[in-house]
Formats: sequence, structure tokens, C-alpha cells
Amino acid sequence: DAKTTQPTSMDCAEGRAANLPCNHSTISGNEYVYWYRQIHSQGPQYIIHGLKNNETNEMASLIITEDRKSSTLILPHATLRDTAVYYCIVGSNYQLIWGAGTKLIIKP
Amino acid sequence: KAGVTQTPRYLIKTRGQQVTLSCSPISGHRSVSWYQQTPGQGLQFLFEYFSETQRNKGNFPGRFSGRQFSNSRSEMNVSTLELGDSALYLCASSLEDSGGAGETQYFGPGTRLLVL
Repeated sequence: DAKTTQPTSMDCAEGRAANLPCNHSTISGNEYVYWYRQIHSQGPQYIIHGLKNNETNEMASLIITEDRKSSTLILPHATLRDTAVYYCIVGSNYQLIWGAGTKLIIKP
Repeated sequence: KAGVTQTPRYLIKTRGQQVTLSCSPISGHRSVSWYQQTPGQGLQFLFEYFSETQRNKGNFPGRFSGRQFSNSRSEMNVSTLELGDSALYLCASSLEDSGGAGETQYFGPGTRLLVL
């Protein structure tokens, strides 16, 4: 079973910030939090990952709570092209267990 | 740099046949992982190769096998195909030898296999 819990689906208005939550209450000390997204029929695309500290890159920000039991992916200015399934995964090696993800729909 | 490439992109086979899928990682990447994605089971890890050695393996039957060549290109083979093997097979590559911790994986477009 996946080690993470995510909402099945979310909507967000174009131009607004999309905040995607993820619960990972059983995360271990050496496990990273990864976020990928998959646009229909394409391979997953890496977004961001972190261990303890908040992270930011050109695509998104990752906020990890102090107890590391949950995190939030923030897309600061969502566009229609951000419509995809977003996966939150935790793990420390390549045997990452992928859940069902959150279907994010950006609406005009 | 060119991304991860997979060939063929689409494939139709019949039950009992075998199939070989190919993956070329990003130049300089030495780790290659394979995943199976189906609507019912989602994305599942098959195996990971590093420096021509299988380093990690998922929970799949022995009909699923793979190998990696000295240039880091990888192939996976599925023998005695079953209807349930119909799926999108994804390959991902990563750069460093850290056993996966903190690694970024870059995925290819996948090979869509249909077994009739």
C-alpha cells in the first residue's frame, strides 16, 4: 500500500495558486518526499523533492511540516497546462510506492 | 540533453508471445528503473539497474526480466505474455550512485503494450 494519502481530485482557477496536500504520517527519518506529475498518456515528470526543509524551484514550492507527517505542493500561478495527476511519494530508494495521486484540474 | 527514449512506443502482441522493450537513458545517467502502469494498479516498480547489475527488484513474477548494457541502455523482457500484462511500461533514469535516496528520476514517454 502507498505510504501517502492524497485527495482524489481538486480544482483550481487559472492564475491562482494550487495547493496540493499530502499526508505521510508513517514517514521514516531517512525517507524523502517526492512530487511528480503525469499529464495524460505521458511519462511522469519530476517536480520537486525534500527531506526536512521547505524547497522551491522554478516549478513549485514544497512545504513540509515540522513533524514531517504531511506536506503541501504549491504551484504559484496555475495554468491550464498544469492539469495533470500529481503524485506524492515517500521513500529512500528506488522502490517508491506510488499511490493514485490527485487529479488537478485547472479551470479558465 | 536528449531525454529518456523508449522504443517502441506502441506494441500489440498475443497471449503466449514474448516482448522486449528498450530504454535509452539520459546521457551520463547510470541508473535505469522500469515501471508498469495500469488503470487498476497504478504505477508499480519492476526493477532497477545500475552499472549492468540489478540493484532493486519489485514484486513481479519471473516472466519479467531485464538487463543493462555497458552504455547504460536497458531492455526489459516479458515472456509468455498474459492479457493482464497490457499496460504502459515506463523507464526512468537517474544520475548518481546513491541507491535512490534523494534521487531525481527522469521518465521516458513509455511503451504502451496491448496483449490480445
